[in-house]
Amino acid sequence: DAGVIQSPRHEVTEMGQEVTLRCKPISGHNSLFWYRQTMMRGLELLIYFNNNVPIDDSGMPEDRFSAKMPNASFSTLKIQPSEPRDSAVYFCAWGTYNEQFFGPGTRLTVL
Amino acid sequence: SQKIEQNSEALNIQEGKTATLTCNYTNYSPAYLQWYRQDPGRGPVFLLLIRENEKEKRKERLKVTFDTTLKQSLFHITASQPADSATYLCAPPGGKSTFGDGTTLTVKP
Repeated sequence: DAGVIQSPRHEVTEMGQEVTLRCKPISGHNSLFWYRQTMMRGLELLIYFNNNVPIDDSGMPEDRFSAKMPNASFSTLKIQPSEPRDSAVYFCAWGTYNEQFFGPGTRLTVL
Repeated sequence: SQKIEQNSEALNIQEGKTATLTCNYTNYSPAYLQWYRQDPGRGPVFLLLIRENEKEKRKERLKVTFDTTLKQSLFHITASQPADSATYLCAPPGGKSTFGDGTTLTVKP
């Protein structure tokens, strides 16, 4: 899937647990995006990084969500503590503002 | 607030016909719009980008138009095939807010 590895592909956890989603894009591209997709809200941008620096995190729903990009080929999205309403498919994408390449997504279910 | 809207949740057409999908935007003037295809269980795949000063752009059987007066982009698939069945998403410039909800196209043989 467009040279992006996301892990895990599926995650089932219980409310209150910490969840860490991982993304490994093809390195050498400046921007990385994290999205969340649900039936109710569609595909929402959570945060994007440029040159490993968070540029806009206004889409991050709450302080429970945090994201890091320690280097150009790795990023994490953490939810602590998780809640049932966080259940969704989480995508990361690399590329530019003009063209993004999405990973296969992580389907998160919080019970 | 800035918003992207795709009018139809679902569109069913017969193979060989032209599919036309609509994307409307409100409360802003995007410099460009993007169209993506998403298959079940997969991430979106980039198809085309059209800039506000481009009236039309084509790629094989795909055609996209951008009408800044109507605040609308149309996405056409000519000579549609069952393999074109998917959800098509209209997207604002990257790094900005939310994609459209998508239109699920079903092409029947």
